[in-house]
Amino acid sequence: AQSVTQPDIHITVSEGASLELRCNYSYGATPYLFWYVQSPGQGLQLLLKYFSGDTLVQGIKGFEAEFKRSQSSFNLRKPSVHWSDAAEYFCAVARGIQGAQKLVFGQGTRLTINP
Amino acid sequence: NAGVTQTPKFQVLKTGQSMTLQCAQDMNHEYMSWYRQDPGMGLRLIHYSVGAGITDQGEVPNGYNVSRSTTEDFPLRLLSAAPSQTSVYFCASHRGRGYEQYFGPGTRLTVT
Repeated sequence: AQSVTQPDIHITVSEGASLELRCNYSYGATPYLFWYVQSPGQGLQLLLKYFSGDTLVQGIKGFEAEFKRSQSSFNLRKPSVHWSDAAEYFCAVARGIQGAQKLVFGQGTRLTINP
Repeated sequence: NAGVTQTPKFQVLKTGQSMTLQCAQDMNHEYMSWYRQDPGMGLRLIHYSVGAGITDQGEVPNGYNVSRSTTEDFPLRLLSAAPSQTSVYFCASHRGRGYEQYFGPGTRLTVT
């Protein structure tokens, strides 16, 4: 069965510091991978996605992620965080059954930014 | 476009009561899904639909019913609410495989 693991439940970084959020997946075929962000009390917003091709993908708000098949990882990075990046981040893998994407989510990583 | 809308935003139910969570999208997306979000567990798929008249179960379907009579609407019914159904419920829609899912703002449900 497909699964997604985000090893870090909570991360605290200082404003201006670099950020890396970890994501490992288990999936037999080539996965479709996503990172979503959820601000408090809000729905989820897509940051970036990987389907195929270049393994380094750029997203919104200055985020990027790198797909590493050998490590089954899809880590999210940002070179310099802003206070507004404080939120919860979810990694997800999609599998296609009947043409639909049934997302499997990780547990989430809550990001706190110190001023 | 309003995107994906959900009503109500908050709801408190007593054990055994039934209710329907509403979800609508105005993007003409074929695919719609319902997820629940519980602390430390991420989001889990309840039911999904690949078009009007077609629905199927996700990871945690027990206690929930869905139907899809139109492209726009995908209501989620709780047949007999239980405290274990206390959660935040998200509806999502997307155009199909390879396209991102758009999420609604969520409904926070408490069952006492």
